[in-house]
Order: sequence, then C-alpha cells, then structure tokens
Amino acid sequence: ELKVEQNPLFLSMQEGKNYTIYCNYSTTSDRLYWYRQDPGKSLESLFVLLSNGAVKQEGRLMASLDTKARLSTLHITAAVHDLSATYFCAGKSATSGTYKYIFGTGTRLKVLA
Amino acid sequence: DTEVTQTPKHLVMGMTNKKSLKCEQHMGHRAMYWYKQKAKKPPELMFVYSYEKLSINESVPSRFSPECPNSSLLNLHLHALQPEDSALYLCASSQRGGASGSSGELFFGEGSRLTVL
Repeated sequence: ELKVEQNPLFLSMQEGKNYTIYCNYSTTSDRLYWYRQDPGKSLESLFVLLSNGAVKQEGRLMASLDTKARLSTLHITAAVHDLSATYFCAGKSATSGTYKYIFGTGTRLKVLA
Repeated sequence: DTEVTQTPKHLVMGMTNKKSLKCEQHMGHRAMYWYKQKAKKPPELMFVYSYEKLSINESVPSRFSPECPNSSLLNLHLHALQPEDSALYLCASSQRGGASGSSGELFFGEGSRLTVL
C-alpha cells in the first residue's frame, strides 16, 4: 500500500530565505501532486508532476520528481509571508482499476517577516 | 469551469439527526471522492466512485452512506454520527479516475465543516 511521508512537519523561516520540503513515497507512483492549504480552507492544486525528472515552477515555488529515488521536492526561493500555509504532496495508486490519492503528512510553513 | 461545489459549507447536527452533504461538478469527471480531514492532519480517503459505481470504501463506518445519483453529483448521507466525526469533509473529482492519458489532477471543493454535538 502506498505510503507518503513529508519532512519537515513544521517549518518556520525568515522572509527572503530558501528552503526545501521533501516528499518520500513507498511504492511506485508515476505521478506526484503538490497542494497548498490555508487555515480553514480547502486544498489548492499547485503542481502535477507526470514523469521522472519533471520540474515545474510557479513564482517562488519549484517542484521536482525523481521516481527512481521515490522522492519529490518543493523548493521555496526567497520566501515571503504570503507563502505561509500547509503544503501536502500526494501520490496515486491503483486498486482494482480505480485510482486513489494518498496524501503525505503535510508541512506547515510559517514565514516570518 | 473547474469548480467543485459543496453544500452546506457548515453543518451542526446532533447524534440522532440524519443529514446529507452534497457535491456537484460539471467538468465531465468520471471519478469522485470523499475525504475526511481532521485539524492539522492530511485528508483521509473515505470513498471513491468511478463511473457512478462505488469502487473504494476505505472501511468507513456504516453511519456514513455515499450515493452517486449521476455523473455530476455525489452525496454523503450522515446518520447517528459521533462527536469524533466532526471534521472537514472534502469532495474531489478527477478526469477518468486518473488513468493514463490524463494528468489525474484532483480538484477539490471548498469543503463542508461538520460539527456533531
């Protein structure tokens, strides 16, 4: 059964600094998804990584996927306060022809001014 | 239109009540999902419907009863819930259940925040 783990669980960082969130998964998942969640809100899709070596960038966030290492990273460049949120990665596994999405533990990011 | 609509946004119910959560999407997605999310935890999968048929039930207690009346609608019927069932209930949909040939991106609704007294 697919298991997805993230680290760190909590991240407090100063504005302007760089940091990376790591997402490890236990079995084959040919796609990897990143979501953002603000307090009390739903999940917003950030990136869909479709294949090994995929790299996607949007603003100060960049996500990558290494399927051989079963690792995805979300890199934050020059953090700003607006990036404060919880970030989830999710893998996809097949069960009896149906796909289900398993979420990582989440990383709560707080960017300090 | 990339929207998943959930109603109600907030629901307070007693342990003897019967209520329903509703979810609607018009993106032509054929897979729909119910997730439960407790505070400071990741979303936890409850049910998956694929082509209007229940494909996955993650051993959810029978006091939660899903229903998919058509390809656009998904309901979650609630009966005799417990206070520990209080949570954010998220509906999501994806194209072709995430099969190859599509990105499989999950689109989430805003959620229904349920409080059981």
